[in-house]
Amino acid sequence: AQTVTQSQPEMSVQEAETVTLSCTYDTSESNYYLFWYKQPPSRQMILVIRQEAYKQQNATENRFSVNFQKAAKSFSLKISDSQLGDTAMYFCAFTPYNNNDMRFGAGTRLTVKP
Amino acid sequence: SQTIHQWPATLVQPVGSPLSLECTVEGTSNPNLYWYRQAAGRGLQLLFYSVGIGQISSEVPQNLSASRPQDRQFILSSKKLLLSDSGFYLCAWSVLGDGYTEAFFGQGTRLTVV
Repeated sequence: AQTVTQSQPEMSVQEAETVTLSCTYDTSESNYYLFWYKQPPSRQMILVIRQEAYKQQNATENRFSVNFQKAAKSFSLKISDSQLGDTAMYFCAFTPYNNNDMRFGAGTRLTVKP
Repeated sequence: SQTIHQWPATLVQPVGSPLSLECTVEGTSNPNLYWYRQAAGRGLQLLFYSVGIGQISSEVPQNLSASRPQDRQFILSSKKLLLSDSGFYLCAWSVLGDGYTEAFFGQGTRLTVV
């Protein structure tokens, strides 16, 4: 079974600065998808960014970008120009391609300080 | 557009009582359906997933069960609740396809077993 590990339970960053959240995963699959989800205090899960494993180019979405290292099975999220609204739990997730099993990490609680 | 409905939003149940949480999806067909549990301040634990009517995969042996009586309906049940069943339960759906896949989440149910 696939596992997803987030080794940073909590992190904080000053407003307007950059922060990187770490994620590693373990799988024997060669094709898969990776995700970062955000869970604000409302607890609604929101997709932040998605990466297909067969794409070498790192995904970006405005202030959010990933560093995908397939060989190292690493998938970190970089948040640039942090905003107060970025305060939330962030979950890394994995799903094999053409499979139906989506696994999440334990989460990182990010606090953006004014 | 696709929507997911999950109810109730909050529930307080005594130990030993039964449980039924319902989740329905609109605007899509043959989705993959998931039940996750999130303990306080913790990550998402995959409980069950389903790829079709009557097809349930269980990830964690426990006193919970799931059923999918219709294509877009997913039910989480228990005959006798335990204190350890308390938590935040999330239903999600996804449709896998080349270049497009993510999980969409319901609003969640906060279950307190007393």
